[in-house]
Amino acid sequence: GESVGLHLPTLSVQEGDNSIINCAYSNSASDYFIWYKQESGKGPQFIIDIRSNMDKRQGQRVTVLLNKTVKHLSLQIAATQPGDSAVYFCAEIGQGGKLIFGQGTELSVKP
Amino acid sequence: GAVVSQHPSWVICKSGTSVKIECRSLDFQATTMFWYRQFPKQSLMLMATSNEGSKATYEQGVEKDKFLINHASLTLSTLTVTSAHPEDSSFYICSANSGTITRKYFGPGTRLTVT
Repeated sequence: GESVGLHLPTLSVQEGDNSIINCAYSNSASDYFIWYKQESGKGPQFIIDIRSNMDKRQGQRVTVLLNKTVKHLSLQIAATQPGDSAVYFCAEIGQGGKLIFGQGTELSVKP
Repeated sequence: GAVVSQHPSWVICKSGTSVKIECRSLDFQATTMFWYRQFPKQSLMLMATSNEGSKATYEQGVEKDKFLINHASLTLSTLTVTSAHPEDSSFYICSANSGTITRKYFGPGTRLTVT
């Protein structure tokens, strides 16, 4: 079945450093991917998205890279701040428009 | 961005009772709403897809008679957990989208605790 997975369940970085969160997906037919941030006790918050006809997209302090050859997605956060501490999920639009979530990576930012 | 609300934000109920959770799209019409369940330290698992004016589509393994979904209007979907048991304790999250919104905005979630 469809699945989106993450390589690292936890990531600890120093404040000010750059963070890279990785994600592997299995459905080569997926054409839309989204990164979400989820803080404890809250719903997922949209960060950035990318369509399969792109390989890079930049937002404010965040960049998403898509490598369709190896079915890999990554989220880069520049100058990581304590407020970036959260769980990050990648998700893909699957069959019937369903949003399928990956495992999640917990990002911890040390001051 | 689009705003999705949920009510209540948390609820405690006794085993065997039913509880209703509401999901509302506040500034757009949601033709489709999705209900997710999330256990601690785990990812979001899709339970069902709710389409306005029609029956919900449930994911494999989700009991439709236990998790009743009603999408009576373009701005409201409800999830009723019937005959709740402690194992139903979880974080329930809805998302909504319309034909013009593809980012799938999420509600703040409802923490259900069954005692």
